[in-house]
Amino acid sequence: GEDVEQSLFLSVREGDSSVINCTYTDSSSTYLYWYKQEPGAGLQLLTYIFSNMDMKQDQRLTVLLNKKDKHLSLRIADTQTGDSAIYFCAGSGGSYIPTFGRGTSLIVHP
Amino acid sequence: ETGVTQSPTHLIKTRGQQVTLRCSSQSGHNTVSWYQQALGQGPQFIFQYYREEENGRGNFPPRFSGLQFPNYSSELNVNALELDDSALYLCASSLAEGRYEQYFGPGTRLTVT
Repeated sequence: GEDVEQSLFLSVREGDSSVINCTYTDSSSTYLYWYKQEPGAGLQLLTYIFSNMDMKQDQRLTVLLNKKDKHLSLRIADTQTGDSAIYFCAGSGGSYIPTFGRGTSLIVHP
Repeated sequence: ETGVTQSPTHLIKTRGQQVTLRCSSQSGHNTVSWYQQALGQGPQFIFQYYREEENGRGNFPPRFSGLQFPNYSSELNVNALELDDSALYLCASSLAEGRYEQYFGPGTRLTVT
């Protein structure tokens, strides 16, 4: 089955860019996702990318996919304190059931 | 458009008891999935329902069971609660056609003592 790995913590200064990285093991993953979870809340789907894409941009968010290395990244431009949260990488195949990583806790300092 | 709602928000149960958690899907969504999120972990898939039938199950024992109703609301039932069942239980709904896009509710925090 799919295994998804993420670093646990990332600390950035407000206004800087944040880059959260993720690696996955299942080369048949068709969809790759980034979710955001704020304290005490459920998960918010931020963006997703199909496996036949290399990059997707959505306002301040840029997703890069390197299929050869099974590496996914999420770049947040002009990071704000409101971006402080846990970010989950997930991948799914034909069943559409995502397998989640443990999450990266993003801390944004003023 | 109404988002995914879950009830209750929190509850505390004793080991060996049974619990029922409820979820109302986002308007127009006919697929619901349930996840267990232990502290410090990512969500783990429990099962999915589509048109009132179980449509996939993760690595959870049979004491975890579910229902989906004609209005696409759903229940998660857990029997014989164990201390390790303490977690945040998340419900997510999606359109079957675009079911890679799942929309999550705020979750129910279950504590088993």
